Amino acid sequence: NAGVMQNPRHLVRRRGQEARLRCSPMKGHSHVYWYRQLPEEGLKFMVYLQKENIIDESGMPKERFSAEFPKEGPSILRIQQVVRGDSAAYFCASSLTGRGGTDTQYFGPGTRLTVL
Amino acid sequence: SQQGEEDPQALSIQEGENATMNCSYKTSINNLQWYRQNSGRGLVHLILIRSNEREKHSGRLRVTLDTSKKSSSLLITASRAADTASYFCAEAGNMLTFGGGTRLMVKP
Repeated sequence: NAGVMQNPRHLVRRRGQEARLRCSPMKGHSHVYWYRQLPEEGLKFMVYLQKENIIDESGMPKERFSAEFPKEGPSILRIQQVVRGDSAAYFCASSLTGRGGTDTQYFGPGTRLTVL
Repeated sequence: SQQGEEDPQALSIQEGENATMNCSYKTSINNLQWYRQNSGRGLVHLILIRSNEREKHSGRLRVTLDTSKKSSSLLITASRAADTASYFCAEAGNMLTFGGGTRLMVKP
């Protein structure tokens, strides 16, 4: 059973460009979470999605950031008009159920975004 | 301030020694989870301890939870060089709320 897959693993963008980060959850998992990690810091929650629904986006900046998890295909985290402060590692996790606090989240290897 | 604060921020020990990392949190929890992150890699789930549990073991790992003090500890016994990594505790709700982590270095 393949784990959580993310691509690309490394992404370089110039300021003002768009970044698209993809996440394929573990087989059978319908709950996806995105986190951001700045250097030397812990992970910060961004958004929680189920298939075709955003459940909680309280950690996501209101502008330039969006996320989706379509019925078919991977979850996408999209950052428009990137700025240097967006440089970070972005991790996706998935879980079998969304029952708060009782389910293990399995993490992907992350996408390291560098904005020049 | 940040929830799930780990202490110490950095720890350096010799192979074979035990490593203890502590985590404090501020709100009521359903459970607490510990993760390991090797440099430049994703997180690996280590252990989940529920709010009604006081201690849990998994191999060389021992986790305790004190809900009255809102704290948890992770003990790694007989450490190995391969244990070198950052360790995070996370309060579990719909999302995980992570602390800043403890960077553990185990010297061979």
